[in-house]
Amino acid sequence: DIQMTQSPSSLSASEGDRVTITCRASQGISNYLAWYQQKPGKAPKSLIYAASSLESGVPSKFSGSGSGTDFTLTISSLQPEDFATYYCQQYDTYPQTFGQGTKLEIK
Amino acid sequence: QVQLQESGPGLVKPSETLSLTCSVSGGSISIYHWSWIRQPPGKGLEWIGDIYYSGTTNYNPSLKSRVTISVDTSKNQFSLKLSPVTAADTAVYYCARQPGLRRHVDIWGQGRMVTVSS
Repeated sequence: DIQMTQSPSSLSASEGDRVTITCRASQGISNYLAWYQQKPGKAPKSLIYAASSLESGVPSKFSGSGSGTDFTLTISSLQPEDFATYYCQQYDTYPQTFGQGTKLEIK
Repeated sequence: QVQLQESGPGLVKPSETLSLTCSVSGGSISIYHWSWIRQPPGKGLEWIGDIYYSGTTNYNPSLKSRVTISVDTSKNQFSLKLSPVTAADTAVYYCARQPGLRRHVDIWGQGRMVTVSS
């Protein structure tokens, strides 16, 4: 299985900050990488697919980059609704696998 | 727009069978790939498997011996069976749509909490 490792596991930031979350794959996955946002008690929501494509309806404050094994999710100008847990997922190879999650908290 | 809704028992006894159904509304199940993903309390996401409307399936090797995913195109539904279950299978189970092979999950169900306990 391809291991997906996110860093950091948790992150404290203030409203208005810009943050970056990293996801590393244990082997190359081209750009078959997605990012999801999950709030407590809710299903995950798709933000980014194909490493850098914005899901319809998602604000442009979210951006993704990377290819191969190293990927990043950047969130600019943090607002209260952005504080949540973020997961990366590789869908290049079965079984599809997720990172362990990054919890973004208010400082 | 397409919506997914999980249904099934919220409590299952150890060694028995967990059975969930996902109903697809607002669109046809006869395209795309349809997946099951689970999340134990306080933990991360685990992909269980997927099915194409033709019936072709892919399973996570860690669960393959215990999992069956099936599709009923006449009812616009797909289903998950996991047997036998243990307490480690306690989780929120999500059904999801992946709009093709090598595509991400673009639509999620709201999730169904299933507890395995006697």
